[in-house]
Amino acid sequence: ETGVTQTPRHLVMGMTNKKSLKCEQHLGHNAMYWYKQSAKKPLELMFVYNFKEQTENNSVPSRFSPECPNSSHLFLHLHTLQPEDSALYLCASSQGTGSASYEQYFGPGTRLTVT
Amino acid sequence: AQTVTQSQPEMSVQEAETVTLSCTYDTSENNYYLFWYKQPPSRQMILVIRQEAYKQQNATENRFSVNFQKAAKSFSLKISDSQLGDTAMYFCAFMKHPTTSGTYKYIFGTGTRLKVLA
Repeated sequence: ETGVTQTPRHLVMGMTNKKSLKCEQHLGHNAMYWYKQSAKKPLELMFVYNFKEQTENNSVPSRFSPECPNSSHLFLHLHTLQPEDSALYLCASSQGTGSASYEQYFGPGTRLTVT
Repeated sequence: AQTVTQSQPEMSVQEAETVTLSCTYDTSENNYYLFWYKQPPSRQMILVIRQEAYKQQNATENRFSVNFQKAAKSFSLKISDSQLGDTAMYFCAFMKHPTTSGTYKYIFGTGTRLKVLA
């Protein structure tokens, strides 16, 4: 266990549904990340939050909407997704600004299938 | 832009043997960090080992060691005395010095699937 949890672990949704992915870290970190992992492709960074402020949005379509209410929780709200959005969505955290410790700790991921 | 290349999509090794996974990267940065992550079939990514570019000494963590060749931009992972539990996807990652916002961004390779055979 890395101290980062994600729920649900599996999600099947239709293209017209609205769902949310949740990530929680128990490490006292200040930065949190969303990644998309597709087969045979490098992990794609989607969003970065540092002290609850979004600092990176890597041209992610608006059908993905992140929310970071505090440094321990991160959500990814999903609506009107496409089948090509099916992937493993990973959350990660790190200590963030000013820290000498820079590595990221990952959650187990949510396997998303869009039908 | 930085890129990370893992040229071996799949590898296998006999239990107790040694295996080396390759990783090359491209960057114009001088100050950066390199990592190897392991993702077992349960999918939780775990940090295996890290290397700071300013350090000449190769990092080691128990059975895991790296061969860091800065001039060649190469960062290979050696696993000694391979165990069945080493079966996983291994990802090489590059991180340049933090952005002005202070967050740390990884650039990942496509991964190498390693299977340890009994």
